Amino acid sequence: NAGVTQTPKFQVLKTGQSMTLQCAQDMNHEYMSWYRQDPGMGLRLIHYSVGAGITDQGEVPNGYNVSRSTTEDFPLRLLSAAPSQTSVYFCASSFGGFNSPLHFGNGTRLTVT
Amino acid sequence: SQQGEEDPQALSIQEGENATMNCSYKTSINNLQWYRQNSGRGLVHLILIRSNEREKHSGRLRVTLDTSKKSSSLLITASRAADTASYFCADAGGTSYGKLTFGQGTILTVHP
Repeated sequence: NAGVTQTPKFQVLKTGQSMTLQCAQDMNHEYMSWYRQDPGMGLRLIHYSVGAGITDQGEVPNGYNVSRSTTEDFPLRLLSAAPSQTSVYFCASSFGGFNSPLHFGNGTRLTVT
Repeated sequence: SQQGEEDPQALSIQEGENATMNCSYKTSINNLQWYRQNSGRGLVHLILIRSNEREKHSGRLRVTLDTSKKSSSLLITASRAADTASYFCADAGGTSYGKLTFGQGTILTVHP
């Protein structure tokens, strides 16, 4: 199993550009989520999904959109990139339920200039 | 949000020594989890302790949970250079599973 796969690994955008960060998992996990990691801030939840067709906002959703059309994929869309969105983005998945640990991808490092 | 706090922010020890990291959280939890992050990589789940458990072991890892103090600690015994990483606690509270709230992490450096 590949686990959680994120693409691209690195991306540089100009302010105002849009892009989609891809996330795919092959573990048949129901739950998927997106976090951003900034220095000194830990990880903050952006959006999450408890199953195909169901998404909800996390702690810092502004400027991001998500959709979940299949169990495997959970793309994160930046609508109009801003320098404040410079961060490392992690996708994670789990079977669901309170005691299911998260499986993380290796992240996408995004720089917005 | 119920952002946890971790202490210390950085810890530097010699191989063979024990490393202890502490975590505090703010509200009631279903469980508390610890994750490790090697530089440039995603987080890897280490251990989960449920709210009705007080201590749990996994290999060289020992986790304790004190719900009255809203705190947890992670002990790594007989540290190795390969244990060098950032360690994060994450609490699973609220009513939506998977919405983990992460602490800011402890950077552990183990010198050979």
